[in-house]
Amino acid sequence: AQTVTQSQPEMSVQEAETVTLSCTYDTSESDYYLFWYKQPPSRQMILVIRQEAYKQQNATENRFSVNFQKAAKSFSLKISDSQLGDAAMYFCALNNAGNMLTFGGGTRLMVKP
Amino acid sequence: DTGVSQDPRHKITKRGQNVTFRCDPISEHNRLYWYRQTLGQGPEFLTYFQNEAQLEKSRLLSDRFSAERPKGSFSTLEIQRTEQGDSAMYLCASSEPGLGKETQYFGPGTRLLVL
Repeated sequence: AQTVTQSQPEMSVQEAETVTLSCTYDTSESDYYLFWYKQPPSRQMILVIRQEAYKQQNATENRFSVNFQKAAKSFSLKISDSQLGDAAMYFCALNNAGNMLTFGGGTRLMVKP
Repeated sequence: DTGVSQDPRHKITKRGQNVTFRCDPISEHNRLYWYRQTLGQGPEFLTYFQNEAQLEKSRLLSDRFSAERPKGSFSTLEIQRTEQGDSAMYLCASSEPGLGKETQYFGPGTRLLVL
């Protein structure tokens, strides 16, 4: 069985500052994919960034980047130059067979103007 | 390229009634997934299809739940004899065949309230 844990129920960041959201996971597979999804209030889940486990290079998408530590089974998301529109629930998710996604419990990010 | 669509967006029903939700995946996506999300929680996997074949079902999918994808395009999720514990957001996602199958794109969800 695979598990995903997000230990920060809520995080707060000042606009234009940088924030890091934590995620740890457990899987017995060697080949898997990790994702961060963003879910704004009452809006749909949006893919933020993905990371293939076989790639050592950390993924980046504009202001979003990850710190993937495979040995530690850690997958954190860094948001730079935070904007008001970044306020949302952020979910870390794991897919190890191309089938189901296993999600963490989410981190609510608040952005202060 | 239109995204995943779901209908209805909201549904209020009385306990014991049957409800059916529809999901239209992104065109050319052959995999379609259903998840359930309760308030403040991450989504939980229910079932998924590859084309018209239902390949995996979660133990969360009790015998009151049934999902179909008859022509490998849209899918329906039916809940019979609804219970208050069925109140949740039901999310649909799809993924493309081949190398991109791991990445799922979500619809807006159907929010169900059982009174």
